[in-house]
Amino acid sequence: GENVEQHPSTLSVQEGDSAVIKCTYSDSASNYFPWYKQELGKRPQLIIDIRSNVGEKKDQRIAVTLNKTAKHFSLHITETQPEDSAVYFCAEYSGAGSYQLTFGKGTKLSVIP
Amino acid sequence: NAGVTQTPKFQVLKTGQSMTLQCAQDMNHNSMYWYRQDPGMGLRLIYYSASEGTTDKGEVPNGYNVSRLNKREFSLRLESAAPSQTSVYFCASRPGVEQYFGPGTRLTVT
Repeated sequence: GENVEQHPSTLSVQEGDSAVIKCTYSDSASNYFPWYKQELGKRPQLIIDIRSNVGEKKDQRIAVTLNKTAKHFSLHITETQPEDSAVYFCAEYSGAGSYQLTFGKGTKLSVIP
Repeated sequence: NAGVTQTPKFQVLKTGQSMTLQCAQDMNHNSMYWYRQDPGMGLRLIYYSASEGTTDKGEVPNGYNVSRLNKREFSLRLESAAPSQTSVYFCASRPGVEQYFGPGTRLTVT
């Protein structure tokens, strides 16, 4: 089945620094790549997503890049703040005919004040 | 608009007991999902329902059954709970590609 590898599993950064999380996927038919943020004890919530016809998308301090040739996509958080501390999950969706999102195992991001 | 709701929030079961986790959404979404979340394992799909009247197995269906009661409700049943089913269970629904998650049920099987 589809597989999503996510790295690193844990990441610590100083407040104000940037954080980058990378995911690779195996299904060349994948066409939608969301990122979810999960705070401790809460539900996962969508923070940004990208479709396969776009190479980069930004939303304030968050950006996602997609390299379809290499089959990887990355989450970039700039000017990190303590409230960015959470677990981040990437996912991929194969599109028409598939109803399943496949999730990476998550990255625990700690922003040190 | 409550979104996706789940009951109960917490549950402790003894090995061999049965229970049903309830999920409902008021967003008129066709597709609904059940995931389990274990430390270091991410979210793994148990079962999903692409539309009312249909259900399909996900990655980890063993030990579970589901019912898509109507468009709003999708329940998950554990017939004979095992300690390996100790986990946090999330229900989700979606209209297109974005999934909306419920608040989760923390289940402990002793």
